[in-house]
Amino acid sequence: EADIYQTPRYLVIGTGKKITLECSQTMGHDKMYWYQQDPGMELHLIHYSYGVNSTEKGDLSSESTVSRIRTEHFPLTLESARPSHTSQYLCASSEYMVGAGANVLTFGAGSRLTVL
Amino acid sequence: LAKTTQPISMDSYEGQEVNITCSHNNIATNDYITWYQQFPSQGPRFIIQGYKTKVTNEVASLFIPADRKSSTLSLPRVSLSDTAVYYCLVGDVGFQKLVFGTGTRLLVSP
Repeated sequence: EADIYQTPRYLVIGTGKKITLECSQTMGHDKMYWYQQDPGMELHLIHYSYGVNSTEKGDLSSESTVSRIRTEHFPLTLESARPSHTSQYLCASSEYMVGAGANVLTFGAGSRLTVL
Repeated sequence: LAKTTQPISMDSYEGQEVNITCSHNNIATNDYITWYQQFPSQGPRFIIQGYKTKVTNEVASLFIPADRKSSTLSLPRVSLSDTAVYYCLVGDVGFQKLVFGTGTRLLVSP
């Protein structure tokens, strides 16, 4: 059963619209991430957060922005969507597993965005 | 940040053992090795993690040689449902920025 939720799962929207992709986790994880993935391609880290009021840009430059006002919530916003933003966006959170050595990622189901 | 290198793709048949190797030549002392599995249109899923020697769980084994410059994910007796992309990541406890490589696309045929 998923402990990290992404909405919407699918979104088709016109150019120039503002969109927000929601991501919420119920596990109390401090670290959260946004990845972007085109079909059949690798995942690219676009944003991550150490905790509340902490946000950092990832390896892939993105016109999106994120916020982390609450531990459980890490929304991603595009102020003006363009066709080049068409992709799948995956949210994840991580924890330190007892008995393990490093953070383990738990992913949501993803939000597939299509900009016409 | 330890860079990882994996084969782009592998083919296998049902019932065979599959071994996927990941190279991480500049792995740091505090780094652990973690493997994920991803099906189409889903997020990756944790498979196994290790630091050295061998780790085994209900789905896979992870072999790490003494120099830790590579690791091998072993999937025993694969089935069609094991067709997926497999990623290895290298990082430590405090490693916040978890970056995926290109992964290995495994195709299991009847």
